[in-house]
Amino acid sequence: QQQVKQSPQSLIVQKGGISIINCAYENTAFDYFPWYQQFPGKGPALLIAIRPDVSEKKEGRFTISFNKSAKQFSLHIMDSQPGDSATYFCAASRVGNEKLTFGTGTRLTIIP
Amino acid sequence: GAVVSQHPSWVICKSGTSVKIECRSLDFQATTMFWYRQFPKQSLMLMATSNEGSKATYEQGVEKDKFLINHASLTLSTLTVTSAHPEDSSFYICSATGPGRYNEQFFGPGTRLTVL
Repeated sequence: QQQVKQSPQSLIVQKGGISIINCAYENTAFDYFPWYQQFPGKGPALLIAIRPDVSEKKEGRFTISFNKSAKQFSLHIMDSQPGDSATYFCAASRVGNEKLTFGTGTRLTIIP
Repeated sequence: GAVVSQHPSWVICKSGTSVKIECRSLDFQATTMFWYRQFPKQSLMLMATSNEGSKATYEQGVEKDKFLINHASLTLSTLTVTSAHPEDSSFYICSATGPGRYNEQFFGPGTRLTVL
């Protein structure tokens, strides 16, 4: 069964700190790994995505680290801000199949 | 670019009535659209995948006669919840992708359905 396991379920980080969310997958055919940010009552928004030909991708304060051998990838939010408080979902899909397999989500709260 | 809209953003209906939700890609051709359902504090559950001009493919356990999906053009897909019941109350979200998008899905803002 294609699964993406996400942890932690919830996370509280102090303003200015680093938020780290982890995901692990089983299907080695996956080759696209996006992260989505969702605010309450809104649809998910694509935050950043990575493909397995690189081990890291950085966009502003957001970085994806990818470990192909361990079948794990993580999202790092540097200098976390209260506006980053949201639910984050990792996902995965593979060539020839555009369906996304989502993680269970992480509710991130940034406290002052 | 890559904007997806949904209409309505929320709807309240009586049990037994049908509700139609529209999903539009505003600035790209959406050859494939997806419909998701999300319960409070849970992840997105894929209901069906629709390709322009062909029948939708439903996920296991999703009643195709209850959730009618039409993808008649490259910019519009509709989800009709037929004979809605309170248990159909949920947050419905569509997403779209198209040529050159390399598996990227762009999500709409969602529609909150409440069935009384």
